[in-house]
Amino acid sequence: DSGVTQTPKHLITATGQRVTLRCSPRSGDLSVYWYQQSLDQGLQFLIQYYNGEERAKGNILERFSAQQFPDLHSELNLSSLELGDSALYFCASSVGQGTNEKLFFGSGTQLSVL
Amino acid sequence: GQQVMQIPQYQHVQEGEDFTTYCNSSTTLSNIQWYKQRPGGHPVFLIQLVKSGEVKKQKRLTFQFGEAKKNSSLHITATQTTDVGTYFCAGIGGSNYKLTFGKGTLLTVNP
Repeated sequence: DSGVTQTPKHLITATGQRVTLRCSPRSGDLSVYWYQQSLDQGLQFLIQYYNGEERAKGNILERFSAQQFPDLHSELNLSSLELGDSALYFCASSVGQGTNEKLFFGSGTQLSVL
Repeated sequence: GQQVMQIPQYQHVQEGEDFTTYCNSSTTLSNIQWYKQRPGGHPVFLIQLVKSGEVKKQKRLTFQFGEAKKNSSLHITATQTTDVGTYFCAGIGGSNYKLTFGKGTLLTVNP
């Protein structure tokens, strides 16, 4: 168990809908990262937050948004869902924000858009 | 943008054979990390290499970081069925704080 909690584990929804994925980092970790994993694209970095502030941004679509709350948990919001958004979404956390951070991954949320 | 390529994409071996996966970056990396993801699981951190030419060992696993800090390799000696999974390298280039993952190498081991 990595100590990173993601909910829900599975999510099935329809195109055009909006969903929220939730992540609680390990105790003491200030950084939260979101990754999207699909079969053909591997692990794609979406966004990183450090202590409530956006730290780095990857190839995150405009339909997607995220935030980190004062208690350090994070939410990833996906709207106007398309079939291609079906993927496994991982949250990871680390202690700091530097370049030598070791990431601890949650078990992921499997999103299926029908 | 920074790209991290991994080869091979798949590798099937007989138990007891050796296995190597290679990672190449389009830019110089400040460090390289390796993760393992078991089937149905999540990536788990294995190791980080920081210095040019660095070599680290973990039991049967040997990790190398190239002299130019643009490539890395993971070698497993005498594979076991417990080694099955996808091995990812991930790197950060320069002041870019985005940890970029390669697409991984899926290792399967025939007992």
